[in-house]
Amino acid sequence: KQEVTQIPAALSVPEGENLVLNCSFTDSAIYNLQWFRQDPGKGLTSLLLIQSSQREQTSGRLNASLDKSSGRSTLYIAASQPGDSATYLCAVRGDSGGSNYKLTFGKGTLLTVNP
Amino acid sequence: ETGVTQTPRHLVMGMTNKKSLKCEQHLGHNAMYWYKQSAKKPLELMFVYSLEERVENNSVPSRFSPECPNSSHLFLHLHTLQPEDSALYLCASSQDLRESRGYTFGSGTRLTVV
Repeated sequence: KQEVTQIPAALSVPEGENLVLNCSFTDSAIYNLQWFRQDPGKGLTSLLLIQSSQREQTSGRLNASLDKSSGRSTLYIAASQPGDSATYLCAVRGDSGGSNYKLTFGKGTLLTVNP
Repeated sequence: ETGVTQTPRHLVMGMTNKKSLKCEQHLGHNAMYWYKQSAKKPLELMFVYSLEERVENNSVPSRFSPECPNSSHLFLHLHTLQPEDSALYLCASSQDLRESRGYTFGSGTRLTVV
């Protein structure tokens, strides 16, 4: 059974810092990995999608990497801003078995960027 | 807006009430999903529909009843809920079950059972 762990559970940084969020998964047979952002009480906004054959994806100040063999992904946020404050969720989609369309989520990292 | 619209945004209901959550997408997606997000827990998959057919019922109690009348609409009918069912209910869609472009989520319905 796939399990996804996100470290740290919470992170508070001053504005302007570069930061890294970590995601690890136990079953390396994944189809893809998706990073989401969730504002309090709101739905999920997709940030980056990395296919299993890819090593990284970039969008603006965000860069996500994937090391499938070691079961790890990182989300790098450059020059953080108060507007980046949110919960960041990592989700993996399995590539084995009949239910390989399922997303398995981590519990998220709550990021606070202080002005 | 992500292209997946959920209504209502907030819902308070008694344990004897019957209510429905609605999800709508006009992205041309063929697969739709219901997820439950409780405090301090990861998102949990509840139901999956592909081309209006249910392909997954993830051990969800029968007091939750999904309906998918067409590929653009998904409902979650609720009856005789318990306080522990209070959560954020999220709808998502994808092009199909086996596609590579990821999932699109709605903003969710915050459900409180009193």
